[in-house]
Amino acid sequence: KQEVTQIPAALSVPEGENLVLNCSFTDSAIYNLQWFRQDPGKGLTSLLLIQSSQREQTSGRLNASLDKSSGRSTLYIAASQPGDSATYLCAVRILYSGNTPLVFGKGTRLSVIA
Amino acid sequence: NAGVTQTPKFRILKIGQSMTLQCTQDMNHNYMYWYRQDPGMGLKLIYYSVGAGITDKGEVPNGYNVSRSTTEDFPLRLELAAPSQTSVYFCATVVGFDTEAFFGQGTRLTVV
Repeated sequence: KQEVTQIPAALSVPEGENLVLNCSFTDSAIYNLQWFRQDPGKGLTSLLLIQSSQREQTSGRLNASLDKSSGRSTLYIAASQPGDSATYLCAVRILYSGNTPLVFGKGTRLSVIA
Repeated sequence: NAGVTQTPKFRILKIGQSMTLQCTQDMNHNYMYWYRQDPGMGLKLIYYSVGAGITDKGEVPNGYNVSRSTTEDFPLRLELAAPSQTSVYFCATVVGFDTEAFFGQGTRLTVV
């Protein structure tokens, strides 16, 4: 059974700092990995999608990497801002009974202090 | 283009009552999913559908039912609400296995 773990569970950093969020998964047989942002009481917003054949994806100040063989992904946030404060969720797409649902980690709650 | 729309946003149910959580998408995606999110936990898959007329159980289907009569709509039915079903429910859609998933804003359900 695929399990996704995110470390740390919570992180507090001063504004301007570069930071890394970690995601690990137990089964390397994935189609892709997606990072989401979730603000309190809100839905999930897609940040980056990395296909299993890719090593990284970039969007603005965000860079996500994928090492499928070792079961790891990182989300790098450059020059953090208070507006980056949110919970970040990692999810892998797997094959399950003929469908391909996402399996989620529990998230990392990020606080960026001004 | 609204994307994925969930109604209602909030609901309080009494134990034993029933209700339907609505999910509508205007993206013409075949694949749709229902997840629940409990505090401090990741999202768990309840049911999914690969197209109109086809549904199947996910990881935590007990106490729920779904239907998929059209591509656009994927309602989730709770027949006999229990306190264990207090959660935030998210509907998601995706066009294919190699594309990104899109989520609705969620329905926060409390069963008392």
